[in-house]
Amino acid sequence: GQQLNQSPQSMFIQEGEDVSMNCTSSSIFNTWLWYKQDPGEGPVLLIALYKAGELTSNGRLTAQFGITRKDSFLNISASIPSDVGIYFCAGQQMLDMRFGAGTRLTVKP
Amino acid sequence: GAVVSQHPSWVICKSGTSVKIECRSLDFQATTMFWYRQFPKQSLMLMATSNEGSKATYEQGVEKDKFLINHASLTLSTLTVTSAHPEDSSFYICSAFGQGGYEQYFGPGTRLTVT
Repeated sequence: GQQLNQSPQSMFIQEGEDVSMNCTSSSIFNTWLWYKQDPGEGPVLLIALYKAGELTSNGRLTAQFGITRKDSFLNISASIPSDVGIYFCAGQQMLDMRFGAGTRLTVKP
Repeated sequence: GAVVSQHPSWVICKSGTSVKIECRSLDFQATTMFWYRQFPKQSLMLMATSNEGSKATYEQGVEKDKFLINHASLTLSTLTVTSAHPEDSSFYICSAFGQGGYEQYFGPGTRLTVT
């Protein structure tokens, strides 16, 4: 299916730095989700957003559901080595879920 | 959250043989499950939506006779790759909606290698 526009594609940062990534779509969604995938494993749900404008935190992670319902961002504060992985955004409308291409995060100790 | 398991976690088979992958919802019932395929360094591509007690819905371009899906119970969906070829080698991941019905939870994936 059609993918969302996720950026950046990859990031190389130093441990302790903050990270920001975002997703945009030409379609509106009722739910935005952010997943993290480690190599050889399935995606793990990090944050789910249900309302336009909603700002939700999960530890060092913060995500927002854009007011237009066509975008979302994820911030990671004070990155640590275990944050390494691929982060996917997903927009959901009923049974239809679309994914971003992923942001590959590398954290240097 | 909701726990989804897959079996096997990896499988190697010879070209021309069939392989069955199981997806189970462990602590909840799932009337709908999803099957995805993921190639290296790419995002997840939806293959089909598996519906308990009825036929699966396949995405455009996915051969339903090659990728057989059976969702016989509220906790189990199976994907059978028939007459596998090397180009079918991929990472197959299933998912299901949690009890809240708004988030998809993914299984750990199955790495299929066809030689």
